[in-house]
Amino acid sequence: GNSVTQMEGPVTLSEEAFLTINCTYTATGYPSLFWYVQYPGEGLQLLLKATKADDKGSNKGFEATYRKETTSFHLEKGSVQVSDSAVYFCALASAGGTSYGKLTFGQGTILTVHP
Amino acid sequence: DAGVTQSPTHLIKTRGQQVTLRCSPKSGHDTVSWYQQALGQGPQFIFQYYEEEERQRGNFPDRFSGHQFPNYSSELNVNALLLGDSALYLCASSFLAGGNTGELFFGEGSRLTVL
Repeated sequence: GNSVTQMEGPVTLSEEAFLTINCTYTATGYPSLFWYVQYPGEGLQLLLKATKADDKGSNKGFEATYRKETTSFHLEKGSVQVSDSAVYFCALASAGGTSYGKLTFGQGTILTVHP
Repeated sequence: DAGVTQSPTHLIKTRGQQVTLRCSPKSGHDTVSWYQQALGQGPQFIFQYYEEEERQRGNFPDRFSGHQFPNYSSELNVNALLLGDSALYLCASSFLAGGNTGELFFGEGSRLTVL
């Protein structure tokens, strides 16, 4: 079955530091890949996505590239801000049809950014 | 434009009892998915409803059941509650009929505690 593995957390950084959160996956076929973020007191929200190999998703300064050869979708940001403090989830969905409603999530990575 | 709303936000039950959780999808959305998020873990897919039918189901026992109403709102029912059912239950909606973008919109969840 499908599975997603995220780097162990939590991650603590100073403002303006570089961020990488690793994500690898196991899936059959060609899944779509997502990063969701959960800010304190809020629901999960989509941060970025990529639907095919070599696609790069980007949003709010965050980027992730769909690497099929390494089955990875690492999240990066060049300069984090205190407001980026949240829990980040990597997720995948099997392609097509109603499958997008069935996401497989990683365990989440807590990011804390200090001023 | 209201997003996904869930009720109740918190509830406490005892083992063996039954619980019903409710979800109203984002305006214009026709598909509802339910997820269980244990503390410190990523969400796990329970099932998805579209056109008032269960379309996909995760690895959850029959004690977990659901319903979707003609107005697209949904209920999650859990019978014979166990201590292990204590979790945050998330509802997510999407617009399947309009073309599947792969983005789910999540509510803030219902926190269930089983004593």
